[in-house]
Amino acid sequence: DGGITQSPKYLFRKEGQNVTLSCEQNLNHDAMYWYRQDPGQGLRLIYYSQIVNDFQKGDIAEGYSVSREKKESFPLTVTSAQKNPTAFYLCASSIQANTGELFFGEGSRLTVL
Amino acid sequence: GNSVTQMEGPVTLSEEAFLTINCTYTATGYPSLFWYVQYPGEGLQLLLKATKADDKGSNKGFEATYRKETTSFHLEKGSVQVSDSAVYFCALTRGAGANSKLTFGKGITLSVRP
Repeated sequence: DGGITQSPKYLFRKEGQNVTLSCEQNLNHDAMYWYRQDPGQGLRLIYYSQIVNDFQKGDIAEGYSVSREKKESFPLTVTSAQKNPTAFYLCASSIQANTGELFFGEGSRLTVL
Repeated sequence: GNSVTQMEGPVTLSEEAFLTINCTYTATGYPSLFWYVQYPGEGLQLLLKATKADDKGSNKGFEATYRKETTSFHLEKGSVQVSDSAVYFCALTRGAGANSKLTFGKGITLSVRP
């Protein structure tokens, strides 16, 4: 089945540690995205990538980093510079950038202890 | 910039009740409009969309009409089921330019009682 796989589903981190969230898609989509979801705030765009080896900052990129070395993969690193990292992180993809028709993974919940 | 405003929630309804979830937007030009749904413990799924004024999107008994004159895209369903309990997000995007992105509303939680 085609889709988006995020891992891990739950992750706990101590303050000061970097953590990387995995996102893999087998839909052959060009564009991939990372969103952060907080209660009562909807979804906010962290980073997006329109094509391999290229990515752009979204609305809340500070404290995060990404790479896009392969079409299928778009990992997100939450660095120690992110002041409030506890959140639900959603990865998505689309056939092309900016179509609005996104396919989402099931999310990763990060908790900082 | 582009923005989406959704009505405050949560919303609780009895099964078979009529549902309306309000969504209004602010944008220049002619954005495409979307409703996404998030079932408990899952990611979001596209529910329906409309790409131009007066278009009606529909799926799974849900409908929404793109109203440019009132800048609205309200979601409706004639008879809700318990399985419709979820969080609903209104969203918009404009064109395919490099700076265009999908902007989401804050979402509203719908709970349907048997």
